[in-house]
Amino acid sequence: EVQLVESGGGLVQPGRSLRLSCAASGFTFDDYGMHWVRQAPGKGLEWVSGISWNSGNIDYADSVKGRFTISRDNAKNSLYLQMNSLRTEDTALYYCAKAAGPIYYHYGMDVWGQGTTVTVSS
Amino acid sequence: EIVLTQSPGTLSLSPGERATLSCRASQSVSSSYLAWYQQKPGQAPRLLIYGASSRATGIPDRFSGSGSGTDFTLTITRLEPEDFAVYYCQQYVNSPPLTFGGGTKVEIK
Repeated sequence: EVQLVESGGGLVQPGRSLRLSCAASGFTFDDYGMHWVRQAPGKGLEWVSGISWNSGNIDYADSVKGRFTISRDNAKNSLYLQMNSLRTEDTALYYCAKAAGPIYYHYGMDVWGQGTTVTVSS
Repeated sequence: EIVLTQSPGTLSLSPGERATLSCRASQSVSSSYLAWYQQKPGQAPRLLIYGASSRATGIPDRFSGSGSGTDFTLTITRLEPEDFAVYYCQQYVNSPPLTFGGGTKVEIK
């Protein structure tokens, strides 16, 4: 079964850091690009970051650029999101999603995890 | 940045009726790079349509996508009870950023 399982969310104070993980199974992880997408409470979907199969292409939304870092470990079938200098507006459910091809753009997101909740509050 | 505007914001329909959802882009989007997703309460989004008109694996044929340039449409020919949900369009032409529309909620009338 193709599956993505996120972890690492929690309650954190503004300005602090958090690292999210996404464990992939059921497919050849290093064949595909990956994404982080977030959804603030009661709001729509916002793309956060994408990474190609070999980490050769990485991009970020302007709202997180310079604060968040996406990475992957193909040997461990895992995707990560290091979130620094967190703000209250980063509060959201964070989804890990698989691209349908080797790069994260030019393909839809065909597999999604159930998400991990990040709450930034003092 | 390509801005996607979805309309209407909410669509109130009865089971068995036809739903027509619109997604308009601020600049031309190659139809190869437009997707539609369905999201039910408490669930992750699910890919319905990619390449503007190709159904993803396991998606029933009552769902269809069409359009080109800046105007795209998702049509659900006969609404089933499980189709009441929020639908998002997304463009993935270039990055950054990949962008989503604001969503259309299809609710039971």
